[in-house]
Amino acid sequence: AQSVTQLGSHVSVSEGALVLLRCNYSSSVPPYLFWYVQYPNQGLQLLLKYTSAATLVKGINGFEAEFKKSETSFHLTKPSAHMSDAAEYFCAVTLNTGGFKTIFGAGTRLFVKA
Amino acid sequence: NAGVTQTPKFQVLKTGQSMTLQCAQDMNHNSMYWYRQDPGMGLRLIYYSASEGTTDKGEVPNGYNVSRLNKREFSLRLESAAPSQTSVYFCASSKQGRETQYFGPGTRLLVL
Repeated sequence: AQSVTQLGSHVSVSEGALVLLRCNYSSSVPPYLFWYVQYPNQGLQLLLKYTSAATLVKGINGFEAEFKKSETSFHLTKPSAHMSDAAEYFCAVTLNTGGFKTIFGAGTRLFVKA
Repeated sequence: NAGVTQTPKFQVLKTGQSMTLQCAQDMNHNSMYWYRQDPGMGLRLIYYSASEGTTDKGEVPNGYNVSRLNKREFSLRLESAAPSQTSVYFCASSKQGRETQYFGPGTRLLVL
């Protein structure tokens, strides 16, 4: 069965520190991979997506993610955290299994300490 | 462009009552989705519509029905609300099934 696992429901970093949010997936077919961000009381918005053009994907607000097929991972990173990065982050996988279906991870809430 | 709009923003129901959540998009997207978001569980797909005139069940369809009224509108109906349906409901749309989804602001539903 296809699934998405985000390690750590909560991650806390200091302002200026590296942000690393982990995402692993299981899939028997090539996936389309996404990271979405959700700010309080809002809907989700796209941070970045992987669609097989390049394994290192750059997104908005300085975030990037690397697709590693051998590890079935798509971890999200940012070199230096800002207070404004505090939000919930969701990894998502879209699979073509006779029709496209998207599976979301449980989410990781990022806290940024001053 | 308004993007994806949802109404209402907040609703309180009593067990057994019915209601319809409305969703509309103005991006000429083919695919539309309904998700529910519960703490610690991410988003779970209730129903989706790959294109106008088609609807399919997602991961948690029980207790819900949908209607793809036209290309713009996709409604979600709770026929007999239960406390387990207390959640935040998000509508989303995408140009095609494999592309970026655009989300509405959500509807917070409380079933007493």
